[in-house]
Amino acid sequence: QVQLQQWGAGLLKPSETLSLTCAVYDGSFSDHYWSWIRQPPGKGLEWVGEINHSGTTNYNSSLTGRVTISIDTSNNQFSLKLTSVTAADTAVYYCARADPVGGTDRGSGDFDSWGQGTLVTVSS
Amino acid sequence: DIVMTQTPLSSPVTLGQPASISCRSGQSLVHSDGNTYLSWLQQRPGQPPRLLIYKISNRFSGVPDRFSGSGAGTDFTLKISRVEAEDVGVYYCMQATRFPWTFGQGTKVEIK
Repeated sequence: QVQLQQWGAGLLKPSETLSLTCAVYDGSFSDHYWSWIRQPPGKGLEWVGEINHSGTTNYNSSLTGRVTISIDTSNNQFSLKLTSVTAADTAVYYCARADPVGGTDRGSGDFDSWGQGTLVTVSS
Repeated sequence: DIVMTQTPLSSPVTLGQPASISCRSGQSLVHSDGNTYLSWLQQRPGQPPRLLIYKISNRFSGVPDRFSGSGAGTDFTLKISRVEAEDVGVYYCMQATRFPWTFGQGTKVEIK
């Protein structure tokens, strides 16, 4: 059964760069799309973006220009970088897996496996 | 962005009784490939979300059959036939038909 284990810095100052990594164990890394999803404390979910093993990415347009998702196929890991963070970026960040949609450059959004979540707090 | 609107936002339910959550999208979720990428997730307190239903009505592996999804176009429903104590949590609908994927606000299911 696939396991997603994530890590990264939990406390940032405004204007710094958020950096998180998610490692995938016991899963078919090349057969899926890998997403980041965030959840501000006490609030709902927001999809950040996704990547596949070829490096094809799709991002939430609300974060365009600040977000980069990258992949390390040799270590079955993918990473999130979010620049110029503010308090509004304070959230629990989750990594998640979805199946691809055949014949397209996108995932299905059926997030069947999730990481444990990482709370990132942005505060001066 | 497609706005997903859930009702109710809170649902107190008696154990063993049914529960129903509605989700309405701001535009049709039918993709050009003919599929409707509407899923339901459950989030228990302190845990990551968990996939329950995908493509409107497909129950994910290991999900009890008391959970069912239905709907089409812009109107969708999640039903729990008989609520159990372990069903307490927040339920989200999510669309992945058009970027960016978007979620409903969440519906909190609690026991009366």
